[in-house]
Amino acid sequence: QLQLQESGPGLVKPSETLSLTCTVSGGSINSINFFWGWIRQPPGKGLEWIGSLYFSGSTYYNPSLKSRATIFVDTSKNQFSLKLSSVTAADTAVYYCARQGRDGYHFKYFDLWGRGTLVTVSS
Amino acid sequence: EIVMTQSPATLSVSPGERATLSCRASQSVSSNLAWYQQKPGQAPRLLIYDVSNRAAGIPARFSGSGSGTEFTLTISSLQSEDFAVYYCHQYNNWPLFGPGTKVDIK
Repeated sequence: QLQLQESGPGLVKPSETLSLTCTVSGGSINSINFFWGWIRQPPGKGLEWIGSLYFSGSTYYNPSLKSRATIFVDTSKNQFSLKLSSVTAADTAVYYCARQGRDGYHFKYFDLWGRGTLVTVSS
Repeated sequence: EIVMTQSPATLSVSPGERATLSCRASQSVSSNLAWYQQKPGQAPRLLIYDVSNRAAGIPARFSGSGSGTEFTLTISSLQSEDFAVYYCHQYNNWPLFGPGTKVDIK
């Protein structure tokens, strides 16, 4: 059964770059049927989509984060990663990676999620 | 820009009762609407996709309906494990989640 697992530092200093990796196991990231996405959730708040990626390398971002977020894939390791630059305390959140259905160029729902990892931005 | 709203913010229900949760989009999202359940300390879990299709393993007491801008998630008879936060999610364009409805014990 396919599983996703986030990894990366739990503490990042303000103005630095947050870096997280999602490892996909039990299945291939090289699927024409799916995007692979990052979603975050500040403590006690709701869900915010950060961006999604297709295994070919095509990427799509939330306009509110586009200038700071970069998502890229390493198909040889079955991983995809997120970098978020110039972080502030407002970027403190649980970060989830998730599999997202694809219908041509059209996004679908997130059907499988990682367990999430808390990233705190603090000096 | 689409805005998603959910009501009520909190719904207090007794076990065995029916719960009806609403999700509204500021413009039509067609049938591109999903519902997720999230329990404390856990990732969201997909319940319903494309308005009314239950995801794999989801009990029949969960049902979804609606179209365009108005959507409903109904839990026919609340079980103890159903007390959680529920989010709607439109994917008609870039993904956007509603603010959530917390279902707690009355």
